[in-house]
Amino acid sequence: RKEVEQDPGPFNVPEGATVAFNCTYSNSASQSFFWYRQDCRKEPKLLMSVYSSGNEDGRFTAQLNRASQYISLLIRDSKLSDSATYLCVVNPPGNTPLVFGKGTRLSVIA
Amino acid sequence: GAVVSQHPSWVICKSGTSVKIECRSLDFQATTMFWYRQFPKQSLMLMATSNEGSKATYEQGVEKDKFLINHASLTLSTLTVTSAHPEDSSFYICSARNIRDTRFEAFFGQGTRLTVV
Repeated sequence: RKEVEQDPGPFNVPEGATVAFNCTYSNSASQSFFWYRQDCRKEPKLLMSVYSSGNEDGRFTAQLNRASQYISLLIRDSKLSDSATYLCVVNPPGNTPLVFGKGTRLSVIA
Repeated sequence: GAVVSQHPSWVICKSGTSVKIECRSLDFQATTMFWYRQFPKQSLMLMATSNEGSKATYEQGVEKDKFLINHASLTLSTLTVTSAHPEDSSFYICSARNIRDTRFEAFFGQGTRLTVV
């Protein structure tokens, strides 16, 4: 099993749609979790951390299920500017490198 | 949020020459920085972990004599691509963590697009 698995997509959705991305991770001792966004030919940027209780930032909601080792990201009212690759990122124990999923590509269409 | 500055943002060099890329954490201290490489339409691949004051740890398949890493201070790590070849052309990205941030989220430099001709 890969350390972090994501559906690569692409997800092609119309403006205003709600879209959800899922991610699973293999290391049950992982400590923290993030969603990063990467635009074409740019560096990844932190979108939001993922907390056990679930958290929301505007149109974005992240959820974590430690028992199932599953993370999700929900985007409501999609905008054209949301088009990007969304990376599920897991922090293993200790000061070790973050583990990145391969990313899910989203295209929001007018 | 924390700022990581990477320089240069792009570079074109001739085969056989060496290129140095700098990664600086501007407003925090980072005992550890990470160097990644990303080929077009592929995911980030970790190359090495750079530890301040000690030798870098390289991932399997990454030549330590070709990709020289120096982490001389808590705010600066450098990656030198020696004797560059066209197949080294890629997007190189560094990231750093704030040693006081218990969540260990990483901040990325802007990336360096290297083209070897």
